[in-house]
Amino acid sequence: EAQVTQNPRYLITVTGKKLTVTCSQNMNHEYMSWYRQDPGLGLRQIYYSMNVEVTDKGDVPEGYKVSRKEKRNFPLILESPSPNQTSLYFCASSSRDRGGGNTIYFGEGSWLTVV
Amino acid sequence: LAKTTQPISMDSYEGQEVNITCSHNNIATNDYITWYQQFPSQGPRFIIQGYKTKVTNEVASLFIPADRKSSTLSLPRVSLSDTAVYYCLVGDRGSTLGRLYFGRGTQLTVWP
Repeated sequence: EAQVTQNPRYLITVTGKKLTVTCSQNMNHEYMSWYRQDPGLGLRQIYYSMNVEVTDKGDVPEGYKVSRKEKRNFPLILESPSPNQTSLYFCASSSRDRGGGNTIYFGEGSWLTVV
Repeated sequence: LAKTTQPISMDSYEGQEVNITCSHNNIATNDYITWYQQFPSQGPRFIIQGYKTKVTNEVASLFIPADRKSSTLSLPRVSLSDTAVYYCLVGDRGSTLGRLYFGRGTQLTVWP
């Protein structure tokens, strides 16, 4: 079954304590991305990766890091979390379809609370 | 980056047809238009995608005029389970596929 798997799904942490949210996809997709979703603000892109070792900033990259050492994994790293990073996070992957379009597959989301 | 504009919210009743229009004035020649549906606390899921004219699948239709500066998602005979946020997405296909703008989406509420 095609899947994008995120862990942890729920996490409460304290300010300044480094954390990593993992993301893995089993579809051999080149493209992966992270989004955060906050009330009234919709989905905002944090970082994206076009392929292994290729990453770039989205709309709200401040306070986050990513790495893409393997095609299937794209972890999101919060080096020093702050309360304003409390949010619902989604990982996504996609690949260009034969017809030229592309379909994005999303993970189930990770609820992160920073106190 | 082609940004989009959609109504913030819409209301409908069960059994009615719902049309949600999205404006994307800066759409690029190679861009596709894609609509996603999101239920609370779940990741968005693909509904339909098109490039021009009309596309129809088992759940929706997508109408795109010749100038491609807007598109309309049509949901026939909605039910309560169609209550969700709907996002219109136009990808940046200039030099990259990855830079995408979802915006705030349209909250559709279906009433009994």
